[in-house]
Order: sequence, then C-alpha cells, then structure tokens
Amino acid sequence: GENVEQHPSTLSVQEGDSAVIKCTYSDSASNYFPWYKQELGKRPQLIIDIRSNVGEKKDQRIAVTLNKTAKHFSLHITETQPEDSAVYFCAALGRSYNFNKFYFGSGTKLNVKP
Amino acid sequence: NAGVTQTPKFRVLKTGQSMTLLCAQDMNHEYMYWYRQDPGMGLRLIHYSVGEGTTAKGEVPDGYNVSRLKKQNFLLGLESAAPSQTSVYFCASSFTSGRTQYFGPGTRLLVL
Repeated sequence: GENVEQHPSTLSVQEGDSAVIKCTYSDSASNYFPWYKQELGKRPQLIIDIRSNVGEKKDQRIAVTLNKTAKHFSLHITETQPEDSAVYFCAALGRSYNFNKFYFGSGTKLNVKP
Repeated sequence: NAGVTQTPKFRVLKTGQSMTLLCAQDMNHEYMYWYRQDPGMGLRLIHYSVGEGTTAKGEVPDGYNVSRLKKQNFLLGLESAAPSQTSVYFCASSFTSGRTQYFGPGTRLLVL
C-alpha cells in the first residue's frame, strides 16, 4: 500500500516569513493530495488540495506543488501569521484492495512567532 | 447543517470496560470512517463504511467493532478497553472514497 512521509515534524518561523512542509509518497498511482490544518483541540480541516493532473495550486497565501516524477508534494505558506500556528497533515489517496483510502503523514507542528 | 458530530467529547474508562462512540452526519454522505490519532503518528484508519449496512477493516481494527445501521450514523465500539486504546478518535465522512473527508470534532478517550 501507500506510504506517506512528512517533514519536518516541527517548524518554527518568524511572523512574515515563509514556511514549507514536504511530503513524499510511494505509490505512483496516487492521484489526489489534500492538506489539512488542525488547530489545538480542534478537528482537521481541509485547506488546499491538488490532483495529479496539475503541478501547482494556489489559494491566497497558501500554495501546494506536486512533483509526480519524484513523488513528492509540498505546502507553502507565505507571509505567515500567528493564526497559522497549527499542526498540518498531508495525505495521499491510494488504493487498498478495492477501496480508495487516504494515507496520512505524521504531521508538522508549525509555530509562528510574533 | 451540523456537518459531522461526535458523542461523547471526552470519556475515562477503566481497563476492561466497554463503550460506544457515536458519529452522525447530515450531509447524506455514503462513506464514513473512524480514525485514531496518536502523538507523532498522524491519523490511522480503524474501520470504514461504504454505505448503510456495510463495514470494513482499516489499518488498525483490532479491539474495535463498528456498525452502520443507518446511513447517517456510524458507531465505534470498544468491547474491553485497554490502555493502548487511549487516543483521540475522529469520525469522518465523504461523498465517495476519493472525495474530501469532513471530520467530526473528536472524542478524547483515556483508558486507565
């Protein structure tokens, strides 16, 4: 099955700087890659996603890039703000027997220092 | 439109006790999932359901059972709780297996 690795596990940046979180996946058949943000004590919420037919997607200060050849995708947050502090999870949609399931990375705790 | 809801929010159990976690969704989603979240391990799939009356095992099903008697509800049962089941449990639902999953607020379970 699919294996998703996420780095770094923790990331500390100064307010206004950029933050980059990277994930690699193993199954070349995976074709959908969402990113979730989880604030402390809250539920994971989808912030951006990308499908394998595009290389980049942007939504205001957040962007995701996908390199299918290298099998990695990244989350980019520009002009970080304290409210960006949270745990971010990547995921890849892979195939397990006859079911499409999401494989999650282990999470990155982002701390934006004011 | 409440989305995905879970009850209870928090529970303490003694080893060997049983309990049921309830998940409800009002989005008419076919697919529902139960995950557990442990520090440094992301979200791991326990069981899932592809429709009313169906259930299937995920990555970590041992010690858990599930039922989906109604489309909007997905129950997770622990027959004999163990300390290793201390975790935060999230329910999620989606329209199909390849679409966005919407998560519930989570249930924090502590097994002593």
